[in-house]
Amino acid sequence: GNSVTQMEGPVTLSEEAFLTINCTYTATGYPSLFWYVQYPGEGLQLLLKATKADDKGSNKGFEATYRKETTSFHLEKGSVQVSDSAVYFCALIRMFSGGYNKLIFGAGTRLAVHP
Amino acid sequence: DVKVTQSSRYLVKRTGEKVFLECVQDMDHENMFWYRQDPGLGLRLIYFSYDVKMKEKGDIPEGYSVSREKKERFSLILESASTNQTSMYLCASSPGQGGNYEQYFGPGTRLTVT
Repeated sequence: GNSVTQMEGPVTLSEEAFLTINCTYTATGYPSLFWYVQYPGEGLQLLLKATKADDKGSNKGFEATYRKETTSFHLEKGSVQVSDSAVYFCALIRMFSGGYNKLIFGAGTRLAVHP
Repeated sequence: DVKVTQSSRYLVKRTGEKVFLECVQDMDHENMFWYRQDPGLGLRLIYFSYDVKMKEKGDIPEGYSVSREKKERFSLILESASTNQTSMYLCASSPGQGGNYEQYFGPGTRLTVT
């Protein structure tokens, strides 16, 4: 079946440190992949996405590359800020024959950045 | 600006009560979703709807029902609330057409059942 596995958190970093949050997936075919972010007290927001193999999604200094060889979509940022403290969710899209779709989420990784 | 709103941010109900969680989107989206979010489990899909009056069970539909009488509104119903339904509930919508599968989320309702 389709599934997403993320590294367990929390991840604690100092400001300006390099960030990697690992995400691997199991799926039939090559589904679109997403990173969502949830800031404290808010709903989820789309951070970035990639729709096919070797695509790189990027936004707000975050990047992730769709790697079909390793079935991975790791999230990276070169220099984190305190304002990046949030929970990050990796997800893939599952398509149904009726034309609708649903997202399959990982468990989420909490990031805490301190000054 | 896209917007998904949920009727309450915090809700406290007693065991056995009937609970209604409302979600409204203003983007004319076909698809709407209800998730629950629990620590260590991520988001789990309860129900979704791809058209008015249409609904499909998600991964954990037991104890829940839904209603979609109008395109912009999707309601989650707990017929008889139980303590194991204490959770954060998130609503989302998406156009689901033309390859655009991004889901837009509301702020969530934190439900406590005592």
